[in-house]
Amino acid sequence: QKEVEQNSGPLSVPEGAIASLNCTYSDRGSQSFFWYRQYSGKSPELIMFIYSNGDKEDGRFTAQLNKASQYVSLLIRDSQPSDSATYLCAVPYSGYSTLTFGKGTMLLVSP
Amino acid sequence: NAGVTQTPKFQVLKTGQSMTLQCAQDMNHNSMYWYRQDPGMGLRLIYYSASEGTTDKGEVPNGYNVSRLNKREFSLRLESAAPSQTSVYFCASSESVTASGNTIYFGEGSWLTVV
Repeated sequence: QKEVEQNSGPLSVPEGAIASLNCTYSDRGSQSFFWYRQYSGKSPELIMFIYSNGDKEDGRFTAQLNKASQYVSLLIRDSQPSDSATYLCAVPYSGYSTLTFGKGTMLLVSP
Repeated sequence: NAGVTQTPKFQVLKTGQSMTLQCAQDMNHNSMYWYRQDPGMGLRLIYYSASEGTTDKGEVPNGYNVSRLNKREFSLRLESAAPSQTSVYFCASSESVTASGNTIYFGEGSWLTVV
């Protein structure tokens, strides 16, 4: 069964702190992993994807992948109030041709 | 650059009424999707179309039908709306579907209420 698990939150961090968002998946055959951000009342937008074990950095965002442990995380450095949103992890399960989304983690960054 | 456009944005239906949600993309993508999003349930795939001329069921297809009209357009039809179909509906597209995944781009959403 395809499963993508995320803590629903909310995760509350002060402005300027590092926010750490985690996602676990059940299929060892999954090859790529996507992080989407969704503001309240808006559609999801892609912020990062990662294919290889290790870290991938893009500005204040770092995606970390550990295939052996089947988890992927998203770090947001120097968190800003504008980062307050729900973050969705998405995984294409092997044998399936679409993305399976986690339920998302709500992040709240307080000024 | 419109991306994925879906209409209508808001709709209220009475139980038993029918309606069609329209979706069009201008990115020359081969694959298109319809998701619904409900509080606490996340995004769930209703139907998808891997390429023009094909459609497949997703996780929650009951009560819905789809038509891939051409490469650009993918519509979702509710034949007899039920209150359980009250949701936010997202159309999306990607370059293709592969086992390794492709970035999915979403439309702005359609808020549907069935009373």
